Amino acid sequence: AQSVAQPEDQVNVAEGNPLTVKCTYSVSGNPYLFWYVQYPNRGLQFLLKYITGDNLVKGSYGFEAEFNKSQTSFHLKKPSALVSDSALYFCAVRDPTGGYNKLIFGAGTRLAVHP
Amino acid sequence: DSGVTQTPKHLITATGQRVTLRCSPRSGDLSVYWYQQSLDQGLQFLIQYYNGEERAKGNILERFSAQQFPDLHSELNLSSLELGDSALYFCASSAVAGGAGELFFGEGSRLTVL
Repeated sequence: AQSVAQPEDQVNVAEGNPLTVKCTYSVSGNPYLFWYVQYPNRGLQFLLKYITGDNLVKGSYGFEAEFNKSQTSFHLKKPSALVSDSALYFCAVRDPTGGYNKLIFGAGTRLAVHP
Repeated sequence: DSGVTQTPKHLITATGQRVTLRCSPRSGDLSVYWYQQSLDQGLQFLIQYYNGEERAKGNILERFSAQQFPDLHSELNLSSLELGDSALYFCASSAVAGGAGELFFGEGSRLTVL
């Protein structure tokens, strides 16, 4: 079965420091991977995706993610964190079994950026 | 603004009641997805429709049903409500089937069952 794991419930980082939010996946076939962000009382917003090609994917708001096939990971990164980046982050993988573009989400990681 | 519209934004009802949540997808999107977000279960996929037909079913209870209409809007019907059904229900849409297009989410409908 397809699955995504986000091993950290919360990540704390000081403003201006680099941040990493971890994600590992398990999927049959080639993985299609996504990162979404959820601000309080809002829906999920798409940040970036990996389909194929360059292992480093750039997305919205200065975020990027690194795909590592051997480690089955897709970690979200940002060189310099902002307080406004504080939110709930979800990693997701496309489930190739039936349906179109159905996504399986991880449990989410709460990012707290401190001034 | 994702372009996906959900109504109502908030809903408070009693156990045993029935509610209907409505979703209008982005213009041109044929696929609609329903997800349930709760504190203990995270984001759970419920069901997907493509151009009016059910395409995939997830952890959707038998008390819940959904449909997609010819104008592509979708409704999620929740009946015989229980306290544990209290959650945030998201609708998402995506473009033409296939490929690896991202999903665009609405703001959600927060259901509180008392």
